[in-house]
Amino acid sequence: AQRVTQPEKLLSVFKGAPVELKCNYSYSGSPELFWYVQYSRQRLQLLLRHISRESIKGFTADLNKGETSFHLKKPFAQEEDSAMYYCALRGNDKIIFGKGTRLHILP
Amino acid sequence: GAGVSQTPSNKVTEKGKYVELRCDPISGHTALYWYRQSLGQGPEFLIYFQGTGAADDSGLPNDRFFAVRPEGSVSTLKIQRTERGDSAVYLCASSEGGGSGEQYFGPGTRLTVT
Repeated sequence: AQRVTQPEKLLSVFKGAPVELKCNYSYSGSPELFWYVQYSRQRLQLLLRHISRESIKGFTADLNKGETSFHLKKPFAQEEDSAMYYCALRGNDKIIFGKGTRLHILP
Repeated sequence: GAGVSQTPSNKVTEKGKYVELRCDPISGHTALYWYRQSLGQGPEFLIYFQGTGAADDSGLPNDRFFAVRPEGSVSTLKIQRTERGDSAVYLCASSEGGGSGEQYFGPGTRLTVT
């Protein structure tokens, strides 16, 4: 079965501290993995995808096929990073989302 | 340019009524997706259009839900005999080309069934 698991509903991190949002997936095949972000009162938007191997707003995510994980990391949290983050995978053209993790950056 | 738009932004209806939710994709985007997001959950896939045809409607929960895209642009999600469990935010997204393009999301329609 195709599934995305984000174990943390809420993650609170102090400004300047490292951030890691966990994501594990289940998929029989080679999925495409994404992180989406939703800032307060804004629409859902793509943050990054594993195939591009980019760093967006200081965030990176590495696909670990052995552990079936795609954790999102940032070395130094900023207050503007506070948002809802969704890990997602695409298989057969449709995207399957996790339940999301709310990241709260403490001043 | 304009992004994906959805109307209405909010809809309150009584149980048993019929509702229509509209999505205007980004001009030129051939792929269009509908998702449903219940409270505390991530978006859940409903249906995917490529042009005018539904390429994958496996996410529609039952036959009360139906979607159309007659001219390959605007899409309407139709829900018959609404139930309280249908209350959610309904999201629309569009992308260029086939299903591999980046999806751009609309602001959503919040449906409340009383």
